[in-house]
Amino acid sequence: QAVLTQPSSLSASPGASASLTCTLRSGINVGTYRIYWYQQKPGSPPQYLLRYKSDSDKQQGSGVPSRFSGSKDASANAGILLISGLQSEDEADYYCVIWHSSAWVFGGGTKLTVL
Amino acid sequence: EVQLVESGGGLVQPGGSLRLSCTASGFTFSSYEMHWVRQAPGKGLEWVSYISSTASTIYYADSVKGRFTISRDNAKNSLYLQMNSLRAEDTAVYYCARNGYSGSYDAFAIWGQGTMVTVSS
Repeated sequence: QAVLTQPSSLSASPGASASLTCTLRSGINVGTYRIYWYQQKPGSPPQYLLRYKSDSDKQQGSGVPSRFSGSKDASANAGILLISGLQSEDEADYYCVIWHSSAWVFGGGTKLTVL
Repeated sequence: EVQLVESGGGLVQPGGSLRLSCTASGFTFSSYEMHWVRQAPGKGLEWVSYISSTASTIYYADSVKGRFTISRDNAKNSLYLQMNSLRAEDTAVYYCARNGYSGSYDAFAIWGQGTMVTVSS
């Protein structure tokens, strides 16, 4: 079982909100991890969006709009990237990352379609 | 302007070697931790290696351990990745990435444009 699992795709309408999940493998407690989120558009390198561990330990990337926010769902053992007020330019791949067992681990990515 | 520029990619035969470089500008390179991250064609991102600002701490992904070596030259504002015993599955775009300032906990905050490595006979 992969350390981080992301749904492969998600669709949402312009103006709506999208909740992207990053589920940690059973036995790895989401509460103890900082979860990092990145956006990648075709043909471009990834861009840092934000990191979230708790409401007192979080950071927005430089220039990243506040409609991108992070949270956790402890019951689902998952990190969440919430994008509100979806825009066509938000259509991209999104990756979550954690530092686990002396290695940085990337999730498989979620392709967000805005239509 | 903060910038990372990778170079050194190309076509190499299986079992061959290649050395990637990443030249930094617009910031004090010696103060920042650095990474290499790769992305196979049409696939997701995979972390490859990390090096601390003074090179005192280094980590590798299991998939490259024993074959790849990360290093840096702070006097030349440069990061390197020596890749030996290359395999077809190492084919990918290789990105260098910089963490945030020391103590910020911001990982992979800045990325280069990447350099393509193709391992094929």
